[in-house]
Amino acid sequence: QKEVEQDPGPLSVPEGAIVSLNCTYSNSAFQYFMWYRQYSRKGPELLMYTYSSGNKEDGRFTAQVDKSSKYISLFIRDSQPSDSATYLCAMRSNQAGTALIFGKGTTLSVSS
Amino acid sequence: GAVVSQHPSWVICKSGTSVKIECRSLDFQATTMFWYRQFPKQSLMLMATSNEGSKATYEQGVEKDKFLINHASLTLSTLTVTSAHPEDSSFYICSAPKGSTDTQYFGPGTRLTVL
Repeated sequence: QKEVEQDPGPLSVPEGAIVSLNCTYSNSAFQYFMWYRQYSRKGPELLMYTYSSGNKEDGRFTAQVDKSSKYISLFIRDSQPSDSATYLCAMRSNQAGTALIFGKGTTLSVSS
Repeated sequence: GAVVSQHPSWVICKSGTSVKIECRSLDFQATTMFWYRQFPKQSLMLMATSNEGSKATYEQGVEKDKFLINHASLTLSTLTVTSAHPEDSSFYICSAPKGSTDTQYFGPGTRLTVL
């Protein structure tokens, strides 16, 4: 079993839809959780960063962490064509200086 | 604005030559930086951890002598692909942790094509 599982998609939705992206993980040492957005041929851009279980909202984006189930989600409301990208979940342990472990990334396409 | 820069953004080289890629943290110091490699439609694969003032830590399967890493200062890490071959063609991305939460920020990436 891989440490981080993420459905690669692709996921296609119409403009205005609510998008749900998910990752599961197996390592209970993971304490920090991030979502990155990556456009083609670009470096990943940090979207959301969470530490504790629960929800964190930033504009149209909501990150959800359920440590008991080892499950994290990213919700995108009122999706836009500009949201079309690959979304990568990433996580790491509490130890400073450790590298991130990434999911495979989910490719999202929002059509107008 | 960008917090991590990379140079060059793309490079084409002949087989057998060496290529150096720079990663800089902008306006903050990074004692640790990370180098990733990404093939088309795949996720990021960690290659090595660059440590300022000490040797880099390489992931299993990554050749130390082929991918030379030098963390020259608290804001600069370089990755040199030595004796490059076509199979080294890939997208190379660096990241640096910033702030008390160690949030990692990524550079824009360098696309290497070896002919």
